[in-house]
Amino acid sequence: KNQVEQSPQSLIILEGKNCTLQCNYTVSPFSNLRWYKQDTGRGPVSLTIMTFSENTKSNGRYTATLDADTKQSSLHITASQLSDSASYICVVSRTGGDDMRFGAGTRLTVKP
Amino acid sequence: NAGVMQNPRHLVRRRGQEARLRCSPMKGHSHVYWYRQLPEEGLKFMVYLQKENIIDESGMPKERFSAEFPKEGPSILRIQQVVRGDSAAYFCASSPSTDTQYFGPGTRLTVL
Repeated sequence: KNQVEQSPQSLIILEGKNCTLQCNYTVSPFSNLRWYKQDTGRGPVSLTIMTFSENTKSNGRYTATLDADTKQSSLHITASQLSDSASYICVVSRTGGDDMRFGAGTRLTVKP
Repeated sequence: NAGVMQNPRHLVRRRGQEARLRCSPMKGHSHVYWYRQLPEEGLKFMVYLQKENIIDESGMPKERFSAEFPKEGPSILRIQQVVRGDSAAYFCASSPSTDTQYFGPGTRLTVL
């Protein structure tokens, strides 16, 4: 069973709308959690990285939250743009940073 | 349905030797991506392949590194004449199309 579960698997929204992607994990001991954006056919680009003590981190229109107690993270995208269409991958690292567990990703499509 | 398989999980090489990393994609997946993660850094895209074709190798170092995805068998990432700076975790991901990628457990390369 994958230790990082993402939902939904895919999502379609209209341009300008907000959306929230979810990531639940069972990885332990926890080191950090990253959200990546990956455009079709391209390598992933890191959006945020959060450690145990951080609850919220923003990067432009992207805001990630982390609840280390419930082992849940979310990525909120505000005022979506067509260029936000991509896969969003949640990656959780164990202590030491070398041992990573990847979620399967959420495929977001933003339509005009 | 087995997930993405990578072997070996750990590989130790001395400077100047060759390292061969293998990736068996999920059944039915014809797209393979290779990534490198250096200590304390995020994922770095290296190369994107489809069966027998290199689609995007923009992240691959120009020398010593090569990748292939033959018609039969796993994808191979080859590093010739390894140096200490090549020590990293190398991740492979596969996809049935240009959609969501499924990551393997990674190969940890240590160059002595």
